Amino acid sequence: EAQVTQNPRYLITVTGKKLTVTCSQNMNHEYMSWYRQDPGLGLRQIYYSMNVEVTDKGDVPEGYKVSRKEKRNFPLILESPSPNQTSLYFCASSLLSTASSYEQYFGPGTRLTVT
Amino acid sequence: SQQGEEDPQALSIQEGENATMNCSYKTSINNLQWYRQNSGRGLVHLILIRSNEREKHSGRLRVTLDTSKKSSSLLITASRAADTASYFCATDGGSNDYKLSFGAGTTVTVRA
Repeated sequence: EAQVTQNPRYLITVTGKKLTVTCSQNMNHEYMSWYRQDPGLGLRQIYYSMNVEVTDKGDVPEGYKVSRKEKRNFPLILESPSPNQTSLYFCASSLLSTASSYEQYFGPGTRLTVT
Repeated sequence: SQQGEEDPQALSIQEGENATMNCSYKTSINNLQWYRQNSGRGLVHLILIRSNEREKHSGRLRVTLDTSKKSSSLLITASRAADTASYFCATDGGSNDYKLSFGAGTTVTVRA
């Protein structure tokens, strides 16, 4: 089954404790990205990757890191989480021409709370 | 900054009625997409319309695109309770074809 998986689905952590949210897709997609969703703000793109070892900043990259060492995986790293990073996070993947050329497949989301 | 913005923010309709929502964007685009999100879940792709298309249909969905006005509309006909969800438009464009921007969404409630 074609899918994007994220882990963990729920996470409560404390300020400053490094964490990683994993994302994996089984569709051989070139394009992967991370979004955060906050009430009233819709989805905002954090980082995206056009292929292995090619990543770039989205609209809200501060406080986040990513890596793309393999085509299927695109982890999101919070080196020192802060309460303002409490949010619902989504990973997505697609084929690539431009970002909007193909439908994005979304993961189920990771609800992160930083206290 | 967000490229797309939906209007209205919220919409409540009776089952069987049509629901229309609009998306406006700021800069030229390659394509525009519409997505649906059921309460806190991942987004599901509904329809993609290319910049050289003016109208597209998919089942009970009708999407229009007016590039001169930088706007798109999504019409859901004969709405059902299962259409209760948030709807988002997404575009690329501007100075970067590889960034994807979503609006804040329209929340649709279909009353039985």
